[in-house]
Order: sequence, then structure tokens, then C-alpha cells
Amino acid sequence: QVQLVESGGGVVRPGVSLRLSCAASGFTFRSFAMHWVRQAPGKGLEWVAFIRSDGNNKYYADSVKGRFTVSRDNSKNTLYLQMNSLRAEDTAVYYCVKDSGYFDYWGQGTLVTVSS
Amino acid sequence: QTVVTQEPSFSVSPGGTVTLTCGFNSGSVSPTFYPSWFQQTPGQAPRTLIYNTDTRSSGVPDRFSGSILGNKAALTITGAQANDESSYFCVLYMGSGIWVFGGGTKLTVL
Repeated sequence: QVQLVESGGGVVRPGVSLRLSCAASGFTFRSFAMHWVRQAPGKGLEWVAFIRSDGNNKYYADSVKGRFTVSRDNSKNTLYLQMNSLRAEDTAVYYCVKDSGYFDYWGQGTLVTVSS
Repeated sequence: QTVVTQEPSFSVSPGGTVTLTCGFNSGSVSPTFYPSWFQQTPGQAPRTLIYNTDTRSSGVPDRFSGSILGNKAALTITGAQANDESSYFCVLYMGSGIWVFGGGTKLTVL
């Protein structure tokens, strides 16, 4: 069965960097595009980033463009989100999502808290 | 700025029918936006209910249906049950690799 397990979240100060990982199993990871979606505490969902299956095309929400970078290692079945210059408003649960032409399977998320 | 609109809250009686909508501040929603719907209960990850306007995800009961109603995407729940009490989110594809979620609807079954 499809499993997506996010890790790397934690409490950090504003301005620092953090890298999230999403370990995928139960499907042929290299054949599927992936998303990152986040949810601030008590708020709605916000699409963050998208990466195609071969990693050659990447797209970002305006709120993170220039600060976040999505990448993947198909040999390790792992998706990444490098987050730089973190701000308080980046505080959220970050979900990785398998794309089957639509938002298909969701991981359980990892919490990132940006606070001084 | 692109804004996807949903009713903040809605209530339905057990056994009743409710239709939630998903609009777009710059025009009409059509199937070319590939609307999808998600259900989320507190503390849990979202669950995909509907994609590509009206296709139910695997395991989703046929009480849930998607459509385009007028100029909006719609999620209809028929025969509402207590465990349908959740938040429901839609997402629209804006093209050029960009997706935008709606703010969500908190559904109460009472």
C-alpha cells in the first residue's frame, strides 16, 4: 500500500533553514509527480510546490518562491523541501502528496514551527 | 490575486442532503480547472474524495458526488451521516503548474 512519511520538522528561529523529507513506498516513485501542501494551525490548506516525476519541472506558490526548493532523489524514493529564510508565517504542518493526475495519497505531515 | 471561495460553514440534518460550492473570484469554474475535493477531520491528514470534477476516489461512498453547478464546482453529500462532520476543501488548477485551495467549509451534522 502507498505510504508517504514526512520528517524533518521542528522548532526553528526566523531566518534559518530547514529541509523536509518525504519517504515514499508502495508505488513506483520515479513514475509520479509529487506536491508539498501545508496547513497553518487552525487554517486551511495551501499548495506549496510541485515537481514532475523526473524532477525537471518545478512550480511554486508565490508565498515561497525564491525561498523554498523542491527536489527528489528517485534512487532513494524520497522527496525533499529545502526551506530557507523561514518566517513566522511558514509555521504549518507540511504534507507530501502523490500526484496521479490529481492529489492522490497524502502523508501524515510534519510540523514546522518558526518562532523567536 | 487568485481567490478560491468556499462557504465558511454549513449545517445539515442527519439523512439530509447538502451541497458545498467552490468558486473563483476571476470567473467561472469549469472542468478545465480539474476541481478536487478533500475531507479532513481534526488532527488527521486530508482524504481525497473527488477529482476531475466528478470522479470519486477509491473507497469513497457514492453518497459523495461532484459536479459543476452554474459557475462553481460543487460537492453534494446525500444521506448525511454523523461521521461526515468534517472540514471540506476544494482545489482548482490555475494552469502553468499552479494550484489554489479554497478556504474550506466546516460541515456540522445536527
